[in-house]
Amino acid sequence: ILNVEQSPQSLHVQEGDSTNFTCSFPSSNFYALHWYRWETAKSPEALFVMTLNGDEKKKGRISATLNTKEGYSYLYIKGSQPEDSATYLCAPPGGGADGLTFGKGTHLIIQP
Amino acid sequence: DAGITQSPRYKITETGRQVTLMCHQTWSHSYMFWYRQDLGHGLRLIYYSAAADITDKGEVPDGYVVSRSKTENFPLTLESATRSQTSVYFCASSEGTRGYTFGSGTRLTVV
Repeated sequence: ILNVEQSPQSLHVQEGDSTNFTCSFPSSNFYALHWYRWETAKSPEALFVMTLNGDEKKKGRISATLNTKEGYSYLYIKGSQPEDSATYLCAPPGGGADGLTFGKGTHLIIQP
Repeated sequence: DAGITQSPRYKITETGRQVTLMCHQTWSHSYMFWYRQDLGHGLRLIYYSAAADITDKGEVPDGYVVSRSKTENFPLTLESATRSQTSVYFCASSEGTRGYTFGSGTRLTVV
């Protein structure tokens, strides 16, 4: 089983502030890293799929960076809004199966 | 409509009964997956399929059976349901290196 760590587990951020959180994964045999946003009572929604060391992807106010050599990825949210409240999951493929191995997520709450 | 649909949305069943959760996708994606969501564990892979007639075990396959006779369908069967299988089940599909698209989930309660 692949060991995927996300930190922090939960995060309270004031509306308008920027924030970031971390995903750590085994750097050996790296293939790709996925980020998902999971709102309460909905299904996980794909944000980014990252494959190259040093890769940076952006979607509106959300961006992500990837360091495959040291085995981590950062997700950044600029100017947090209430609609950003969700659990953010990261997932590399692997662990003996073709499916993604998900971390337990960072639960983000944006406070007005 | 195009998409990935799961049925039923909610199911209550008794211990020992067989129950099948359905998953249907309209994109002809090669890959399909079944995950279960549990407090403290997050999403865990039960089974996946790379194509029709090709399936393989994930992290937690015990007590489950899958089949994929057609590309668009990937049913998950609990042969003899146990209380530990009470969970929310998500089906997902993907193609190539793209992100997964998840269904709306099935909340299963085994009493």
